[in-house]
Amino acid sequence: AQSVTQLGSHVSVSEGALVLLRCNYSSSVPPYLFWYVQYPNQGLQLLLKYTTGATLVKGINGFEAEFKKSETSFHLTKPSAHMSDAAEYFCAVSALSGNTPLVFGKGTRLSVIA
Amino acid sequence: DAGVTQSPTHLIKTRGQQVTLRCSPISGHKSVSWYQQVLGQGPQFIFQYYEKEERGRGNFPDRFSARQFPNYSSELNVNALLLGDSALYLCASSLGSGQGNGQPQHFGDGTRLSIL
Repeated sequence: AQSVTQLGSHVSVSEGALVLLRCNYSSSVPPYLFWYVQYPNQGLQLLLKYTTGATLVKGINGFEAEFKKSETSFHLTKPSAHMSDAAEYFCAVSALSGNTPLVFGKGTRLSVIA
Repeated sequence: DAGVTQSPTHLIKTRGQQVTLRCSPISGHKSVSWYQQVLGQGPQFIFQYYEKEERGRGNFPDRFSARQFPNYSSELNVNALLLGDSALYLCASSLGSGQGNGQPQHFGDGTRLSIL
């Protein structure tokens, strides 16, 4: 069974500082990987996804993530945090085939300090 | 283009009642999935439907049921509500039949269900 572990339920950074949100997955084969963001009282918005090909994936709002098979990781980064980045971030995984659903991590709440 | 729309946005019910939540997918999307998000947790998969057929079901009791209509909209029904059913219920739509094809799911803003 697939699973996702997000290290750190809450991360706090200063405005302009590097953002690093950690995600490790458990899967027998390399899966599809996703990062979603959730603002208060809203649904989930896709930031980026990894399917195949280049392991460094660029997403919206300046975020990117790198798929590292050897480390079973898919960490999310942004060089410079902005106040508007404060939100809940979810890493998710799905299998390469079949009707397996998205499996989400528990989320990481990002706070940005002025 | 309109995104995924869900109704109602908020709902308050009492224990033992029944509830129906509705979802309209993005135009052209034939797959609809339902997730439950309890406060402080990530979304948990409940159902996936494609072309009106159930394609997947999560670890939820039979009190939970769903269906998809010819226009690809969907309803989630929950019977005999329990306090633990209080959550944000999210609907997501995507192209294609399977969640394992790498096509991202697009989420609505959810229905906040509170059980008293």
